[in-house]
Amino acid sequence: DAGITQSPRHKVTETGTPVTLRCHQTENHRYMYWYRQDPGHGLRLIHYSYGVKDTDKGEVSDGYSVSRSKTEDFLLTLESATSSQTSVYFCAISSTPTGGNNEKLFFGSGTQLSVL
Amino acid sequence: TQLLEQSPQFLSIQEGENLTVYCNSSSVFSSLQWYRQEPGEGPVLLVTVVTGGEVKKLKRLTFQFGDARKDSSLHITAAQPGDTGLYLCAVFKAAGNKLTFGGGTRVLVKP
Repeated sequence: DAGITQSPRHKVTETGTPVTLRCHQTENHRYMYWYRQDPGHGLRLIHYSYGVKDTDKGEVSDGYSVSRSKTEDFLLTLESATSSQTSVYFCAISSTPTGGNNEKLFFGSGTQLSVL
Repeated sequence: TQLLEQSPQFLSIQEGENLTVYCNSSSVFSSLQWYRQEPGEGPVLLVTVVTGGEVKKLKRLTFQFGDARKDSSLHITAAQPGDTGLYLCAVFKAAGNKLTFGGGTRVLVKP
């Protein structure tokens, strides 16, 4: 199994508060991703990173920011959480160290976030 | 409109029955992947199909890529309770190694 750890696994927060989710990998792979999963929508890409300090937006990036200061860590921040951001969040990494060739992705076990 | 449309959204069958789930698009893809996701876990890759008309088998699971590389199907023979899960098709969009998923088909196999 790929070494991907997401924290926390569960979080309940209130509308308007900032929230940061962490993804940590032990594989030293270049590409990392944040997805959210909602019923009927499969997984939708929020942001991704192709190297330290190199990030780009996905299809549902509004209300989210990311940072990658080290190869192993990719942080997702909700600056001011809203109820529409209640979801399950998955981190993923490319299956090869350099990625970029459309190989498969390895996924973490997810973070269940509830915004009340 | 989603890039990948999966049908049905939900399927409940008895152990031993066969089932087919579909992944359709109006776009042409160089390859297509199928993932399975179990409750509380992330998706895990089952197979990648690359060639139009290609058929791949993984034990009781048969995957087919359409001749025009716009659609795919997954057929499960003699389903077992262990086949229960969410089945997702996915494709890489253009450059950047970004994987796009369909909405998924939730399969429940009852003993």
